[in-house]
Amino acid sequence: KAGVTQTPRYLIKTRGQQVTLSCSPISGHRSVSWYQQTPGQGLQFLFEYFSETQRNKGNFPGRFSGRQFSNSRSEMNVSTLELGDSALYLCATKTSFRVADTQYFGPGTRLTVL
Amino acid sequence: EDQVTQSPEALRLQEGESSSLNCSYTVSGLRGLFWYRQDPGKGPEFLFTLYSAGEEKEKERLKATLTKKESFLHITAPKPEDSATYLCAVQADGTSYGKLTFGQGTILTVHP
Repeated sequence: KAGVTQTPRYLIKTRGQQVTLSCSPISGHRSVSWYQQTPGQGLQFLFEYFSETQRNKGNFPGRFSGRQFSNSRSEMNVSTLELGDSALYLCATKTSFRVADTQYFGPGTRLTVL
Repeated sequence: EDQVTQSPEALRLQEGESSSLNCSYTVSGLRGLFWYRQDPGKGPEFLFTLYSAGEEKEKERLKATLTKKESFLHITAPKPEDSATYLCAVQADGTSYGKLTFGQGTILTVHP
């Protein structure tokens, strides 16, 4: 069974630009969550999608947004990039919405903002 | 607010020297506690899920246990390939099932 796929794996952007990251879940997984990982803050929850609806959102500014498509693939967008947005962005997927089952993580997208 | 604290921050062991990592949590209600392993530059790799106090799970040299306030990850006779960052996360009542709250991790280094 193929794992969670994230594209691109690496990105370099400049301040003020915007970026879109993509996540393809494991087959059969319909819940997609996004996390930001930095050395200082660790792993922090960004948002969760299920059935094309945002179910929860973490404490991040409105510059961070996301969406989910009917095939469960998800994208997240960061507009007006800041230096502090440099991080590893991780996508995690699981089968269902209303069960505390295991989330499986992708390899991440390393975003560097110059 | 849900909180997860892991200790120690870093642990250096000699090959074969057993030890334990600690994960203390404060949540209104625990739905599940998860252990992950993360290698540099990679995404977290799932290890264990624990749901209730008293539960234990084992996989090779690793054993995870859960009490009402903390979880331990016991590493028996570690090998250099066990070197990684070990992350603990909780899924808490009152939030969506897709949100995990993570600790800062324990960086484990096993010397041959």
